[in-house]
Amino acid sequence: DVKVTQSSRYLVKRTGEKVFLECVQDMDHENMFWYRQDPGLGLRLIYFSYDVKMKEKGDIPEGYSVSREKKERFSLILESASTNQTSMYLCASSYSQITPGPDTQYFGPGTRLTVL
Amino acid sequence: AQKITQTQPGMFVQEKEAVTLDCTYDTSDPSYGLFWYKQPSSGEMIFLIYQGSYDQQNATEGRYSLNFQKARKSANLVISASQLGDSAMYFCAMTINQFYFGTGTSLTVIP
Repeated sequence: DVKVTQSSRYLVKRTGEKVFLECVQDMDHENMFWYRQDPGLGLRLIYFSYDVKMKEKGDIPEGYSVSREKKERFSLILESASTNQTSMYLCASSYSQITPGPDTQYFGPGTRLTVL
Repeated sequence: AQKITQTQPGMFVQEKEAVTLDCTYDTSDPSYGLFWYKQPSSGEMIFLIYQGSYDQQNATEGRYSLNFQKARKSANLVISASQLGDSAMYFCAMTINQFYFGTGTSLTVIP
C-alpha cells in the first residue's frame, strides 16, 4: 500500500515564525503536491513537483515556498507565518504526471496548522 | 477555465438507504478524468471511484457508482445501502493536467 506521511497532525505557531511542513512518500512516486483545505473552498493547490529539485506554482503559491531535495520528501515552507495561513494542509503523491487517466493521487493524513 | 461544482454543502440519509451526491463540471477539453474522494473526520482523503471522459459505461466500485451524464457535464456519486461509516466529507475532482476539486459535501448517515 502507498503510504504518505506528514510530520505533524497538529501544529500551533506564532505570527512571523518560519514553519516547515514535511511530507514523505514510500512508493517511489515522481510527483508530489501540497494542498490547502478550507471550509467552503475545497482543496486548493499550492505547489507541486514533478522531480527532485523541480517545483511548479499551483493556484495559491503566495506566502509559501517548497523544497524537494530527495525524491521521497517534499517540504512546504511558510517563510513568515500569518493568521490567514491557519488551515488544513494536505500532501499528496502520484506515480505519473497528472493526466485524464485513472492514476489517482494518494494523500497524507493532513496537518492542521494554527497561526496565533 | 476548469471548474467543479458541488451544490450540496450537507446531506442526511437514513441508514441502508441510497444517496446521490451531486457534481457538475465545466471544461472545454474533450479528455478529462473524474474522481470522487471520501474524507472521514480523521482527515485522510480516500479514493473511491474514477470515470474517464471517453468511458461509455458508468463506473462502479462496490456500493459506489458514478452516474456520468456527459452532455449535462455531471458526475454524481451514488452510494447504495448507506452505512454509519459513510458519514464523511465527499469531494468530486476533475483531472486534465492537474486536479481540480469541488468544495465538498458533508454526508451524515442517521441510524
